Amino acid sequence: DGGITQSPKYLFRKEGQNVTLSCEQNLNHDAMYWYRQDPGQGLRLIYYSQIVNDFQKGDIAEGYSVSREKKESFPLTVTSAQKNPTAFYLCASTDRGLHQPQHFGDGTRLSIL
Amino acid sequence: EDQVTQSPEALRLQEGESSSLNCSYTVSGLRGLFWYRQDPGKGPEFLFTLYSAGEEKEKERLKATLTKKESFLHITAPKPEDSATYLCAVQAGSGNTGKLIFGQGTTLQVKP
Repeated sequence: DGGITQSPKYLFRKEGQNVTLSCEQNLNHDAMYWYRQDPGQGLRLIYYSQIVNDFQKGDIAEGYSVSREKKESFPLTVTSAQKNPTAFYLCASTDRGLHQPQHFGDGTRLSIL
Repeated sequence: EDQVTQSPEALRLQEGESSSLNCSYTVSGLRGLFWYRQDPGKGPEFLFTLYSAGEEKEKERLKATLTKKESFLHITAPKPEDSATYLCAVQAGSGNTGKLIFGQGTTLQVKP
């Protein structure tokens, strides 16, 4: 079955620590996205990538970094510079072409210890 | 600034009581409007894409419609399993980045 796999499901970060969230897709999609979801708020775009070895900042990129070395993988690092990292993080991917919907993984919930 | 607003924030219905959720948008050059369903602790699940004013899409008890300023998600005779948060998102502007602007969602609770 094709889909998007995010891991881990739950993650805890200590002060001053960087943590990396994994996102893997086997849908052969070109574009991938990272969103942050806070209670009562819509999804906010952190970073996106339309092709391997290229990515762009979204609306709230500060304190985050990404890489896109393989088409299937788009890991997100939450750095110590992100002072309020507690949130639900969602990864999505989409095919090229007009009006293609984004498909989502089941998220990683990050909390501060 | 492109903006998407959903109302109401929360909606409680009795089983079988039909209603509508609203998604209003102000964007430059709408390319598509998307509806998603999200269950607690899960990622959003794609429901519908609408491209142009006047368009309608249906799936079981759900029907989505689109005008030039807003979209409605009509829920006919809902069941408790329809309880979820419903998200609206728009794709707008020139360029084909696939970027979406999301509303804050409507949380629907259907009581038996």
